[in-house]
Amino acid sequence: AQKVTQAQTEISVVEKEDVTLDCVYETRDTTYYLFWYKQPPSGELVFLIRRNSFDEQNEISGRYSWNFQKSTSSFNFTITASQVVDSAVYFCALSEAENAGNNRKLIWGLGTSLAVNP
Amino acid sequence: KAGVTQTPRYLIKTRGQQVTLSCSPISGHRSVSWYQQTPGQGLQFLFEYFSETQRNKGNFPGRFSGRQFSNSRSEMNVSTLELGDSALYLCASSLAGAVSGNTIYFGEGSWLTVV
Repeated sequence: AQKVTQAQTEISVVEKEDVTLDCVYETRDTTYYLFWYKQPPSGELVFLIRRNSFDEQNEISGRYSWNFQKSTSSFNFTITASQVVDSAVYFCALSEAENAGNNRKLIWGLGTSLAVNP
Repeated sequence: KAGVTQTPRYLIKTRGQQVTLSCSPISGHRSVSWYQQTPGQGLQFLFEYFSETQRNKGNFPGRFSGRQFSNSRSEMNVSTLELGDSALYLCASSLAGAVSGNTIYFGEGSWLTVV
């Protein structure tokens, strides 16, 4: 069965520290998509990145970077030089591709709550 | 372009009542999904609608229902409210659904409190 595990429930860092949020997934599909979302206290889930299973290149966007490793089924997210505004809950999610049958949906991890303290 | 709009943002209901939540997806998006989020359970998938048809459904009782209109706007209804239904209800829209690889975009959610 598909599964997404975010083992870190809560992380607390001091501003300017680097922090890595872990995401490990399980799937039998060869084609799938992985996502990261950020949920600030306001509640809205903000899309951060989408990665398909055939693209293992690491991605960097400003202070954010993602390390996708199929060999370990991981899609980790690193924030460099963290800021107070990065405080939020971060979710990792896994999506099956079209040929997965009728029972298809986005599978979510339980989220990692990140607190960046000044 | 405008994002996903959910109304109302906050509401308080009494046990036994029913509630209807509304979601307007991003223009051009045909897939709308609903999620329930509670502190203990995380994000739980309720259902997905695509072109007015329910395409997928989560493991929720029949008290939870939804529909989608021809303009892709969607509503979800919860009847006979229970205290445990208190949660943040999130609506998400995408072109054709996340399972197609499309990115899904969320609204700000509707905070429901049942007393």
